[in-house]
Amino acid sequence: DGGITQSPKYLFRKEGQNVTLSCEQNLNHDAMYWYRQDPGQGLRLIYYSQIVNDFQKGDIAEGYSVSREKKESFPLTVTSAQKNPTAFYLCASSITGPGSYEQYFGPGTRLTVT
Amino acid sequence: AQSVTQLDSQVPVFEEAPVELRCNYSSSVSVYLFWYVQYPNQGLQLLLKYLSGSTLVKGINGFEAEFNKSQTSFHLRKPSVHISDTAEYFCAVSDPSGNTPLVFGKGTRLSVIA
Repeated sequence: DGGITQSPKYLFRKEGQNVTLSCEQNLNHDAMYWYRQDPGQGLRLIYYSQIVNDFQKGDIAEGYSVSREKKESFPLTVTSAQKNPTAFYLCASSITGPGSYEQYFGPGTRLTVT
Repeated sequence: AQSVTQLDSQVPVFEEAPVELRCNYSSSVSVYLFWYVQYPNQGLQLLLKYLSGSTLVKGINGFEAEFNKSQTSFHLRKPSVHISDTAEYFCAVSDPSGNTPLVFGKGTRLSVIA
C-alpha cells in the first residue's frame, strides 16, 4: 500500500537530548513537510522540502533540523535548543507543480520530553 | 500572506442533528480550499477539496462544503451527524501555483452527543 510511515508512534526522551523522528513515503511525491501540533494551536509548519537536497524553514524552525538526502525520506531532528519539544509531530507529502495540491499525512509521532 | 480563520474552536451537537463548521480565508487571488478530519492520535485525512467549478463540493462520510468567493468562506456541513463524526476538523488554503505549503486554520473540535 502506498502511504506515509512515521516511527515510532510514541517517543520519550530526557531533556537535553537530541531526538530524530522518521518519515518515509512511497507515493513518489517530490514535496515533504513537517508540522507540529499542540492543543488549540492547529498545525504549525516546521520545515518543508520540495526537492532532494533542498529544504526551507517554516514558521517555527528554531530548535529543529532536517535533511533530504533521498526522495522517500525526510527525517526531523528535535535538538536540545528547542524550548518546548513535547508535542505531536506530523509528516506530510504532496506532488508539486500545477494541479491538485492536497497533502497526504502520516499517522504522527507523539514526543514527550521530561 | 494567506490565512485561514475557523470561527469556532469547539462545536457540540446532538446525534442526528445538522452541523456547520465555519471557515473564512483571506486572499485576493484564486485559491484552492480543503477540509481535513483528524481522529484522536491519528494523522489528517482529506474530507473534500475545492479547486474550481461547482461551488458545492461533496466529500466523504456525507460531508459537503460550499465555496463563497464574495464572502471568502468555505463552510463545512453535514445534515445528520453520527457519534463517529466526533473529531477535529481543519480548513486549509493553498494558491494554485503549488509552490507553497498549505496554510491551516486552528481547527474545530466537533463533539457529537448521544
